[in-house]
Order: sequence, then structure tokens, then C-alpha cells
Amino acid sequence: DVKVTQSSRYLVKRTGEKVFLECVQDMDHENMFWYRQDPGLGLRLIYFSYDVKMKEKGDIPEGYSVSREKKERFSLILESASTNQTSMYLCASSLVRRGQETQYFGPGTRLLVL
Amino acid sequence: GDSVTQMEGPVTLSEEAFLTINCTYTATGYPSLFWYVQYPGEGLQLLLKATKADDKGSNKGFEATYRKETTSFHLEKGSVQVSDSAVYFCALSSGGYQKVTFGTGTKLQVIP
Repeated sequence: DVKVTQSSRYLVKRTGEKVFLECVQDMDHENMFWYRQDPGLGLRLIYFSYDVKMKEKGDIPEGYSVSREKKERFSLILESASTNQTSMYLCASSLVRRGQETQYFGPGTRLLVL
Repeated sequence: GDSVTQMEGPVTLSEEAFLTINCTYTATGYPSLFWYVQYPGEGLQLLLKATKADDKGSNKGFEATYRKETTSFHLEKGSVQVSDSAVYFCALSSGGYQKVTFGTGTKLQVIP
């Protein structure tokens, strides 16, 4: 079974802090994704990566950056956390082949920025 | 760009009732279509999928048929259970890198 793990289930940070969210997958997937989930807005893509050291902006990249130094690990960085970044953050991974686009999600990190 | 529209919730049903959650999409080309489910406190997991027109995806008693002519992928289940209470997301994947576009989710509550 594919397993996607996220470093924390719950996180509380102060405004202005630098925040790291880590995601690890164990199935050698090429693609990895970071989403945020907010009530009434569904899932919105922040960034994704299709290979090591490669990244692409999603729909809402402002205020975020990412790092993918190893294939299995994809980090989301909030350079200077703000209260409007309070949200649920979900990581996912998938293969790159058509017909194999199923995304496998981690359990999520609920981030509160005070 | 690609988009997915699904019915707003919450949807409240009695146990053993029939379920339909509507989903329509806009996409270029020939997308793959998905239903994901999110149980309380968990991430999303794939419920079913269909990759071409007229395909029917099914799993755990849920079904959805890829209708290209109406650009729809409605989710149905003949008899819901309390354990089906969750948020359901319709989604599509098209273009490069298999990016997935999600709908806003429909919360289902099944009462005994």
C-alpha cells in the first residue's frame, strides 16, 4: 500500500515565523503535490513537483515555497507565516503515467497561525 | 481552464436511502474523472475513477458513469450507511503532469 506521511498533524505558529511542513511517500512516485483545504473552497493547489529539484506553481503559490531534494520528500515552506495561512495542508503523490493519475494523500496538517 | 462543479451540501439522508451527488466538469481534451472521499480527521482517498467516455467506475457500492455528452460524472449509491458519512470530492485530471482539479466537496451525513 502507498503510504504518504506528513510531519505533523497539528501545528501552532506565530505570525512572522518560518514554517516547514514535510511530506514523505514510500512508493517511488514522480509527482508530489501540496494543497490547502478551506471550508467552501475545496482543495487548492499550492505547488507541485514532477521530479527531484523540479517545481511548478499551482493556483495559489503566493507566500509559499517548496523544496524537493530527494524523490520521496517534498517540503512546503511558509517564509513568514500570516494568519490567512491558517488552514489544513494536504500532501499527495502520484505516478506520472496517464491512467495512473490517482493521487495518494497524507492525513493532513492543521496549521493555526496566531 | 479546467473546472469541476458539484452540488453543495450538506446532504442529510436516512440510512438505506438512495444517494446522488451531482458533478459536472469543463475540460479540454479527454480527462480522467475521479471521486475521492474524506472521512473525518483523514486525508482524501480514491473512491472510484473512470478514464474514458461511458466507463463506469464502482467501489463499495458507489457508482459513477463518465458521460461525455453531458460532461457529467454523478455519484450514486443505492443504500447508504452511517459509515458513508464523509465529504465527497469530484475531480478531473487532464494535460501534463497529471494535475488534478477538485470540486469544492459535498458533505454527506447519514442518520440512523
